[in-house]
Amino acid sequence: GAGVSQSPSNKVTEKGKDVELRCDPISGHTALYWYRQSLGQGLEFLIYFQGNSAPDKSGLPSDRFSAERTGGSVSTLTIQRTQQEDSAVYLCASSSFPQGSETQYFGPGTRLLVL
Amino acid sequence: AQSVTQLGSHVSVSEGALVLLRCNYSSSVPPYLFWYVQYPNQGLQLLLKYTSAATLVKGINGFEAEFKKSETSFHLTKPSAHMSDAAEYFCAVSAPTGTASKLTFGTGTRLQVTL
Repeated sequence: GAGVSQSPSNKVTEKGKDVELRCDPISGHTALYWYRQSLGQGLEFLIYFQGNSAPDKSGLPSDRFSAERTGGSVSTLTIQRTQQEDSAVYLCASSSFPQGSETQYFGPGTRLLVL
Repeated sequence: AQSVTQLGSHVSVSEGALVLLRCNYSSSVPPYLFWYVQYPNQGLQLLLKYTSAATLVKGINGFEAEFKKSETSFHLTKPSAHMSDAAEYFCAVSAPTGTASKLTFGTGTRLQVTL
């Protein structure tokens, strides 16, 4: 596609439920990133993929958070047993290569609300 | 470790006035620096980036920024504000080395443009 797409655009869930957030990066981009944007914490890095492997998971806030990437393309971020503090906008980005100078292109985000 | 400080969470200017959004960085290695803009309910869009070439960087929509190593600054400017510039602006830094090119963001500056 022309840009990074994410689904769903909005998700409302009950505390304790599991959710899956999907990211489709720009075709051919080898690097994929997940970030979280919340009122209290601002924009924070969660995890980065190079191909299907995740060399940097340092931003995942707890073991309830996991992510995978298949076929070097689509990525899914899973949050188990959601808590109210997980409410945020989850942003996905991709870049051609995993280099610091490369532009990261962002999707529109998934707005998650945990009731 | 790298960090970014954006002075002023809210900036208000009149249409036609100079826009100046401040960003100071901290990095133990020469950084790559980025300015992103976020319009309501949208993802982040790159305005411009510094990757150790020219210190004065020109971006989209008439914005530019100057990298000043002595001041550890990368302030964003635009000579004449337009109503459509109203948005939130994020300064970010990434490292030029290693495999992890994650972005570390500032807390953002919301720009208001008044008539």
